[in-house]
Amino acid sequence: GAVVSQHPSWVICKSGTSVKIECRSLDFQATTMFWYRQFPKQSLMLMATSNEGSKATYEQGVEKDKFLINHASLTLSTLTVTSAHPEDSSFYICSASFWRGKETQYFGPGTRLLVL
Amino acid sequence: EDQVTQSPEALRLQEGESSSLNCSYTVSGLRGLFWYRQDPGKGPEFLFTLYSAGEEKEKERLKATLTKKESFLHITAPKPEDSATYLCAVPPTDSWGKFQFGAGTQVVVTP
Repeated sequence: GAVVSQHPSWVICKSGTSVKIECRSLDFQATTMFWYRQFPKQSLMLMATSNEGSKATYEQGVEKDKFLINHASLTLSTLTVTSAHPEDSSFYICSASFWRGKETQYFGPGTRLLVL
Repeated sequence: EDQVTQSPEALRLQEGESSSLNCSYTVSGLRGLFWYRQDPGKGPEFLFTLYSAGEEKEKERLKATLTKKESFLHITAPKPEDSATYLCAVPPTDSWGKFQFGAGTQVVVTP
């Protein structure tokens, strides 16, 4: 199956700092990647859709200046949480769109962010 | 509006006690229904895609079926390692990609 990696898996940072999370599709090219946020015991909440070579599309209520997304290549998308605050602490998961006739989304293992 | 509803929210099973999870959807023109398994602290793991009513897919103790309004995930003779949250998702009518996820069913299998 298609493999998606995320780095780092865990990050602790001080309030006010910025944190970058990488999402890579390891064995396929993904023109589209997605970023989700998940709170404890809740389902996935889509934050934004990232397309290679173009600006990301953000869901309603997601601050694009706080959550910067860059999809620099067909295998890499990054999410930067700028000026992080404790309320940004969450589990961030990316997925990559894999096409073989029809589409399937494969997910990364997630990144746990804790802002102190 | 496209909606995906999963039931029950939680399911506690004895090892070997078979059961079924439900995913009902209101998306018109279904282009695929996806099942994922998510373990605590991990990203969802792809299980199955079903495309048309009557389709069935199996993987070990899991079997997914699809009708025009809902999908079932049957767990046969579950083992403790089947404990996880099971999510279903559908792409919206007007585009691929932005999957609409159900809230999930948390399954706990006790020895």
